[in-house]
Amino acid sequence: DVKVTQSSRYLVKRTGEKVFLECVQDMDHENMFWYRQDPGLGLRLIYFSYDVKMKEKGDIPEGYSVSREKKERFSLILESASTNQTSMYLCASSHTIRGPYEQYFGPGTRLTVT
Amino acid sequence: GDSVTQMEGPVTLSEEAFLTINCTYTATGYPSLFWYVQYPGEGLQLLLKATKADDKGSNKGFEATYRKETTSFHLEKGSVQVSDSAVYFCALPSGGSYIPTFGRGTSLIVHP
Repeated sequence: DVKVTQSSRYLVKRTGEKVFLECVQDMDHENMFWYRQDPGLGLRLIYFSYDVKMKEKGDIPEGYSVSREKKERFSLILESASTNQTSMYLCASSHTIRGPYEQYFGPGTRLTVT
Repeated sequence: GDSVTQMEGPVTLSEEAFLTINCTYTATGYPSLFWYVQYPGEGLQLLLKATKADDKGSNKGFEATYRKETTSFHLEKGSVQVSDSAVYFCALPSGGSYIPTFGRGTSLIVHP
């Protein structure tokens, strides 16, 4: 079974702190994604990566950056956390070559910025 | 661009009731279609999928049929359980790519 793990289930940070969220997948997937999920807004794509060291902006990249140094690991970075970044963060992975491109999700990190 | 429209929730049912959650889509071509489920406090997981028109995806008693004529992929279950309480998302790969478009999600609450 595909497994996607995230470094923390719950995280509390202070405004202005630098925050790292890490995601690891064990199925050799090419693609990895970061979403945030907020009530009434559904899932919104922050960034995605289709290969090591490659990244593309999603719908809401402002205030975030990402890093993918190894195929299995995709990190989301909040350079200076703000209260409006309090949210549930979900990581996902999928194949590029082999369709139909269903995604596999991690359990999520609930981040609170105070 | 491609889009997915789901019925708004919450949908509230009694145990053993019949469930339908509507999903319609707008897409170029005939993409694969997915239903994901998110149980409380967890990430999304794939519930079922259909890869071409008239295909029926099924899993855990849930079914959905890919209807090209009506551009729909409605989720159904004949008899829901309390443990089915979750948020359900309809999705498709945008523009034939690997980047999905998700619906807003429909919350299902099942009472004993």
